[in-house]
Amino acid sequence: EAQVTQNPRYLITVTGKKLTVTCSQNMNHEYMSWYRQDPGLGLRQIYYSMNVEVTDKGDVPEGYKVSRKEKRNFPLILESPSPNQTSLYFCASSFQGTGNGYTFGSGTRLTVV
Amino acid sequence: EDQVTQSPEALRLQEGESSSLNCSYTVSGLRGLFWYRQDPGKGPEFLFTLYSAGEEKEKERLKATLTKKESFLHITAPKPEDSATYLCAVQASNTGKLIFGQGTTLQVKP
Repeated sequence: EAQVTQNPRYLITVTGKKLTVTCSQNMNHEYMSWYRQDPGLGLRQIYYSMNVEVTDKGDVPEGYKVSRKEKRNFPLILESPSPNQTSLYFCASSFQGTGNGYTFGSGTRLTVV
Repeated sequence: EDQVTQSPEALRLQEGESSSLNCSYTVSGLRGLFWYRQDPGKGPEFLFTLYSAGEEKEKERLKATLTKKESFLHITAPKPEDSATYLCAVQASNTGKLIFGQGTTLQVKP
């Protein structure tokens, strides 16, 4: 089954404790992206990657890091999480960056206390 | 500035009561306009892509249309299972970035 898999689904952590949210896709998509979704603000892009070893900032990159060492994986790293990073996070992938059929993961609900 | 505005924010319908959701956009060169459905606690699910004014796409009770400034998602004779948040997004041809609206939350009562 074609899918984007995120882990974990739920995470509660403390301020300053480094964490990684994993994202993997099995569709051989070049393009992968991370979004956060907050009430009243909608989906906002954090980082995206057009291909292996190519990443770029989205609209809200502060406090986040990403890497793309393999085509299928695109982890999101929070080096020192803060409470304002409490949010619902989605990873998405698509063929060559077209919006035509972005496939989203099921989401990671992160709470930073 | 590229932006997407959806209205209304929330819509309550009786089963069988047809209606439309609006997506207004401003973008410097439209590469495509996309509709997604999002159920609570889940990731958005792709519905339609529209590329040029006058284009229409249909899927079951849903029909999406596009003009130069807005798109409509028409829902004909909705059922309770159509209840969800519907997201509109545009992709700018110069940046390739996907910009989402805030969504319309639809509730269909039996």
